[in-house]
Amino acid sequence: KNQVEQSPQSLIILEGKNCTLQCNYTVSPFSNLRWYKQDTGRGPVSLTIMTFSENTKSNGRYTATLDADTKQSSLHITASQLSDSASYICVVSADTGGFKTIFGAGTRLFVKA
Amino acid sequence: EAGVTQFPSHSVIEKGQTVTLRCDPISGHDNLYWYRRVMGKEIKFLLHFVKESKQDESGMPNNRFLAERTGGTYSTLKVQPAELEDSGVYFCASSQWQVTGFVVNTEAFFGQGTRLTVV
Repeated sequence: KNQVEQSPQSLIILEGKNCTLQCNYTVSPFSNLRWYKQDTGRGPVSLTIMTFSENTKSNGRYTATLDADTKQSSLHITASQLSDSASYICVVSADTGGFKTIFGAGTRLFVKA
Repeated sequence: EAGVTQFPSHSVIEKGQTVTLRCDPISGHDNLYWYRRVMGKEIKFLLHFVKESKQDESGMPNNRFLAERTGGTYSTLKVQPAELEDSGVYFCASSQWQVTGFVVNTEAFFGQGTRLTVV
């Protein structure tokens, strides 16, 4: 069964600190993995997209890693800001011809001053 | 450039009524996707259009849901008759192209969602 599991479910950190969010998946055959940021009341916004051949991809203070062998990904946020408070969703696409996407439940990040 | 827009932003209807959600993708995007998040659950795929054709509708929960994309532009998702468990947030996304095979590097842009409440 294709699944995407994220941890932790929620996280509280102080402004300026770093944090790492985890994503484990069992989606097969793997096509690509994306991290999205979703602010309350908004649609998800793409942060990074990685295919199986990519190990790391950065977008400003966001750095995503992918280990296709262990089927794990992480999203590292550096020097967090209050505006980073949001849900971070890991999404894995299966290369089944229709490119079905499987969403993780998300990690809710709270950045406090 | 306008992003993906969805109408309405909120809808409250009674059980048994019909509701139609609309999604306007980014101009020129052939791929259009519908997703939904029911309370406390993760976002789930409903279906995928390539232009006006349904590429994958395996996520549609039942035959009370009907999606159309006439002319390959905007799309509608009709729920008829609505049930209580249909309540949730319905997202639409669009992307410009997809490539079969090993490399897929397209970004999907999401709308803000339509919050549907069935009472």
